[in-house]
Amino acid sequence: QVQLVESGGGVVQPGRSLKLSCTASGFTFSSSGIHWVRRTPGKGLEWVAFIWYDGRDDYYADSVKGRFTVSRDNSKNTAFLQVHSVRVEDTATYYCARDSPTGYTFDYWGQGTLVTVSS
Amino acid sequence: QSALTQPRSVSASPGQSVTISCTGTNSDVAVYNYVSWYQQHPDKAPKLVIHDVTKRPSGVPDRFSGSKSGKTASLTISGLQAEDEADYFCCSYAGTYTWVFGGGTKVTVL
Repeated sequence: QVQLVESGGGVVQPGRSLKLSCTASGFTFSSSGIHWVRRTPGKGLEWVAFIWYDGRDDYYADSVKGRFTVSRDNSKNTAFLQVHSVRVEDTATYYCARDSPTGYTFDYWGQGTLVTVSS
Repeated sequence: QSALTQPRSVSASPGQSVTISCTGTNSDVAVYNYVSWYQQHPDKAPKLVIHDVTKRPSGVPDRFSGSKSGKTASLTISGLQAEDEADYFCCSYAGTYTWVFGGGTKVTVL
């Protein structure tokens, strides 16, 4: 069955960087785009980033453009979200989700990894 | 990339129906038939319940249905059951490989 597992969350100080991972199984990872979505207590779900199945292109929400970088290693069935210069407002549970085979939909999600930005 | 507008909460008794609205703009909901809805129980991962405005994934009960008119999409849950109590989020494709979510609606089963 399709499974996505996030890791790398934790407590991080403002201004630091962190890298989240999303390890997939149960489907052909190299054929699927991957999204990152976060949930904050006050703002609900927020789409953050998307990377094509082959890593050739990536796209970002305006709120994170320039600070977040998404990448993937198809040989390891893993996608990554690098967060630079973290801010208090980046505190959230970060989910990775598979782009559905027909596109434009997040059909399977991981359980999420919590990032808390605090000094 | 402004968030789609959803009511903060809706409620109904078991067996009744609820409809959640999701209002966007001429840059997202109105121009793309790529509206999806996600159910999220506390401390659980979101689950897809409707995609492409009206399509229901395999395994999702047929009491969940979706529709769209202009800038507003809607999710209707008919024959409400206790397990339907959760947060629901709409999402629309917004062009150039970007997406926008609604603020979420808490469904309470009285």
